[in-house]
Amino acid sequence: DGGITQSPKYLFRKEGQNVTLSCEQNLNHDAMYWYRQDPGQGLRLIYYSQIVNDFQKGDIAEGYSVSREKKESFPLTVTSAQKNPTAFYLCASTATGASLQYFGPGTRLTVT
Amino acid sequence: GENVEQHPSTLSVQEGDSAVIKCTYSDSASNYFPWYKQELGKRPQLIIDIRSNVGEKKDQRIAVTLNKTAKHFSLHITETQPEDSAVYFCAASIGDDKIIFGKGTRLHILP
Repeated sequence: DGGITQSPKYLFRKEGQNVTLSCEQNLNHDAMYWYRQDPGQGLRLIYYSQIVNDFQKGDIAEGYSVSREKKESFPLTVTSAQKNPTAFYLCASTATGASLQYFGPGTRLTVT
Repeated sequence: GENVEQHPSTLSVQEGDSAVIKCTYSDSASNYFPWYKQELGKRPQLIIDIRSNVGEKKDQRIAVTLNKTAKHFSLHITETQPEDSAVYFCAASIGDDKIIFGKGTRLHILP
């Protein structure tokens, strides 16, 4: 069953803690993306990666970090430096760059 | 920086009527324009996309038009049905490696 998965679906953390969100794809896609979604804000790009061991900052990278050690995996860490981390986080992948993006089911992070 | 503006933010139409959502983009080099539909709590799903070498594309009740000169593109949904109620996002490619999204339109289909 091909697709892109994210886990967990819901995540709760205390303020000041780092948390890592998982994103895995078995579509053999080269490019992977992390977006943050807030009500009325659309999807804002956090980080993206075109190839293994390489990634670029998106529009709102501050307070986040990523790694791309494997083609299939692109985990996102929300650090304590992120001032307003509560949001819905979506991971996506594409076969090549700016083309059709396949989204994962999302992780809703709540930090209190 | 590059941006995509989307209007309206909320749209209510009577079931059976047509709905139109409009977007403008800033990067004249953009060449790929997808539209996504997102139901509450779910992931965005592509409903139609268009490339810059085409002015119009249609898929059953859904159509997209592109005006490169004016840098705007529109989504048209005809004969709307209750299941069309959702949030719709337009997007435009930036360079070869990413796309940028509009802020979304919440579409309500009224019975």
